[in-house]
Amino acid sequence: NAGVTQTPKFQVLKTGQSMTLQCAQDMNHEYMSWYRQDPGMGLRLIHYSVGAGITDQGEVPNGYNVSRSTTEDFPLRLLSAAPSQTSVYFCASRAPSGGVNEQFFGPGTRLTVL
Amino acid sequence: SQKIEQNSEALNIQEGKTATLTCNYTNYSPAYLQWYRQDPGRGPVFLLLIRENEKEKRKERLKVTFDTTLKQSLFHITASQPADSATYLCALTLYGGATNKLIFGTGTLLAVQP
Repeated sequence: NAGVTQTPKFQVLKTGQSMTLQCAQDMNHEYMSWYRQDPGMGLRLIHYSVGAGITDQGEVPNGYNVSRSTTEDFPLRLLSAAPSQTSVYFCASRAPSGGVNEQFFGPGTRLTVL
Repeated sequence: SQKIEQNSEALNIQEGKTATLTCNYTNYSPAYLQWYRQDPGRGPVFLLLIRENEKEKRKERLKVTFDTTLKQSLFHITASQPADSATYLCALTLYGGATNKLIFGTGTLLAVQP
């Protein structure tokens, strides 16, 4: 199993540009989530999904959109990038959504918005 | 306000000694508490989970305690090795209806000197 994969590893955007961060998992996990990690702030939940077709907001959802058309994929979209979105983004998954199990994290995407 | 606090300063110890990391929280009632390890440039990796009705959990050289009265968890690494050098994150699991959410602390950097 590849686990949780994320692409790209690094990205530089200009203010106002849009992009999609890709996340995929091959463990058939129901629950997937996106976090951002900033110095001194810890991991903060952006959006999460409890299954295909179901998404919900986390702690810091503004400026981000998500969709979950398949169990495997959970892309994160930045519609109009802002410097405040410069961060490291992590995708994670676990099974089942209502359970208390370990989360598996991807390797992260380091995003810089100029 | 709700807070999870971990020592922001790095913990430096000598190889072979026991490292003890602290996680304190306020205004949360977690059902579970988890500890993760994060190496530079990588995603967090799950280490241990402890339930609210458990006082202590062990796994090889790792030991976690959970005191819901003090609202504190201690994470111990015995016979520490330079390979244990990393950032350690604690995370609270909160019951949330259809899904349980993880709330992360900011992490403590552990440096084990040979």
